[in-house]
Amino acid sequence: AQKITQTQPGMFVQEKEAVTLDCTYDTSDPSYGLFWYKQPSSGEMIFLIYQGSYDQQNATEGRYSLNFQKARKSANLVISASQLGDSAMYFCAMRGRYSGGYQKVTFGTGTKLQVIP
Amino acid sequence: DGGITQSPKYLFRKEGQNVTLSCEQNLNHDAMYWYRQDPGQGLRLIYYSQIVNDFQKGDIAEGYSVSREKKESFPLTVTSAQKNPTAFYLCASSIVQGSYEQYFGPGTRLTVT
Repeated sequence: AQKITQTQPGMFVQEKEAVTLDCTYDTSDPSYGLFWYKQPSSGEMIFLIYQGSYDQQNATEGRYSLNFQKARKSANLVISASQLGDSAMYFCAMRGRYSGGYQKVTFGTGTKLQVIP
Repeated sequence: DGGITQSPKYLFRKEGQNVTLSCEQNLNHDAMYWYRQDPGQGLRLIYYSQIVNDFQKGDIAEGYSVSREKKESFPLTVTSAQKNPTAFYLCASSIVQGSYEQYFGPGTRLTVT
């Protein structure tokens, strides 16, 4: 069984500062993928960044980077230079094997980030 | 523009009625998914389909049904057997290789009274 844990229900960050959102995972599969999604108040899920379990380097996408520590089973999201528009819910998710060989994505419970001017 | 459409955005129904939520994609993705999101919680998988005319139950399939007659469409029916149907429903699609990155629709907020 695969599991995603986000222990920070809510966080505040000052505008232009960097912030780290925590995510730990558990799986027995050697092959898996890790995602971060942003969900603004409108409700739509927006893909931010992806890290494969065999990727050697940490993924980066603009102001987003994923701090992947495989031995510790953590996949923290780092947002640099926070902007007011970054205020949203952030979900960590993991892709892994499901029943019948299908791939399934499991989501964490989310972290609500609020950027303060 | 390629994407996923869900309609309507808000839906109100009386208890005991079945209701169907639509999901259409023009991304040419093979896989489609339905998730349920309750306030303050993450997404839970209801059903998914990786090919036309085939679909699999997710973690919370009881009280729901789906069909996949066309690659582009994956409607979800919330039946009267679903005990707590009021929730936010999200549809997604993906390719079936590589990262399996999922693209999401805007969601449908269903309220049953």
